[in-house]
Amino acid sequence: SQQGEEDPQALSIQEGENATMNCSYKTSINNLQWYRQNSGRGLVHLILIRSNEREKHSGRLRVTLDTSKKSSSLLITASRAADTASYFCATVTSGTYKYIFGTGTRLKVLA
Amino acid sequence: DGGITQSPKYLFRKEGQNVTLSCEQNLNHDAMYWYRQDPGQGLRLIYYSQIVNDFQKGDIAEGYSVSREKKESFPLTVTSAQKNPTAFYLCASSTSKGRTGGEKLFFGSGTQLSVL
Repeated sequence: SQQGEEDPQALSIQEGENATMNCSYKTSINNLQWYRQNSGRGLVHLILIRSNEREKHSGRLRVTLDTSKKSSSLLITASRAADTASYFCATVTSGTYKYIFGTGTRLKVLA
Repeated sequence: DGGITQSPKYLFRKEGQNVTLSCEQNLNHDAMYWYRQDPGQGLRLIYYSQIVNDFQKGDIAEGYSVSREKKESFPLTVTSAQKNPTAFYLCASSTSKGRTGGEKLFFGSGTQLSVL
């Protein structure tokens, strides 16, 4: 079963605005990752945050992790039309090799 | 160029037919994975392999089979027992056998399977 659930399912914003999407998971983790998928393509890794980190930045991306709430958020600042894609969080349940993906947030950035 | 290659990009299956999706990587990765993605949905794990000649079932393995005879290759067969095979299939690989989720996955560009 899916471990992660993203919220919202879909998000539409204007270029230049910030986009925030959330991910919840069910079991204890060591790391959480975020991926991006352009329509009809494979996923591309964006950023990884470890369980002992609360916040991480990479360019226009900011990821937070709250292990007490089993949730993470991805913020994309100053969004561009090229950011239009689906975004997924992924985790591995501690002690397994299985990467489990959430249901994804479909982001549409309007020019 | 290093990467992970899936073929074909589009595949059509007739009723009662088995079809095989190819996945090849030249990244020297130990681990390989197969995921199924339905329209507007997330990814569901079909099978994964951490080492040659070994693989484990994921969450939706019924109607699918795999082999891992070579490190570079992890083909997926969609059998006639899979009654609803229409989906986008993604293959991925990663560097390590570690259980911490600290290794990023590299994905192929996917195969769209449709039923005739």
